[in-house]
Amino acid sequence: QVQLVQSGAEVKKPGASVKVSCKASGYTLTNYGISWVRQAPGQGLEWMGWLSSYNGNANSAQNFQGRVTITTNISTSTAYMELRSLTSDDTAVYYCARVHRAVPNREDVWGQGTTVTVSS
Amino acid sequence: QSALTQPASVSGSPGQSITISCTGTSSDVGTYNYVSWYQQYPGKAPKLIIYDVNYRPSGGSNRFSGSKSGNTASLTISGLQAEDEADYYCSSYTARSTVIFGGGTKLAVL
Repeated sequence: QVQLVQSGAEVKKPGASVKVSCKASGYTLTNYGISWVRQAPGQGLEWMGWLSSYNGNANSAQNFQGRVTITTNISTSTAYMELRSLTSDDTAVYYCARVHRAVPNREDVWGQGTTVTVSS
Repeated sequence: QSALTQPASVSGSPGQSITISCTGTSSDVGTYNYVSWYQQYPGKAPKLIIYDVNYRPSGGSNRFSGSKSGNTASLTISGLQAEDEADYYCSSYTARSTVIFGGGTKLAVL
């Protein structure tokens, strides 16, 4: 069945980087895009950015520009999100989601989430 | 860019209908028909329930419906059930080619 499986929980120190993976199965990655959304403890959803594996279109939210990199490895059907210069404010659950190939909406399949804890 | 505006909480009794609003601007909700709604249970990933303002995903419940007027989108849940008690989020595509979410609405089924 169509699913996205994310990598496991991470604990990082302030100033470090984290790279979360998201493996797609049950569908062709190149027909869709992948968005990344995070949720801080007790807070709402926050869109971080996306990458279309169909045409290479990409964008990130202003809050993350210069600090986030989203990539995909087509051969392994895996998407990655790297976030740099971590602070305690980056402690959150990070989700990947399948989106339309041309516009980053219609998140119809979600990963299970990856908890990233930033603590000294 | 500020989040879309949703009421913090709404409530209703079983069998009733409720509506959750989602107010944006002419740079997002008002211009694009790329408004989606999500349902999220505690500790779980969000689930898409409405996309493109008023379309339901395949297999989705027809008790959920969406609409839009001007800069405000709305989600209506009819025939409220206990299992509908969850957090609901809206999102919209924006003029900056990004996505913005609402702050979320907690639905209580009394």
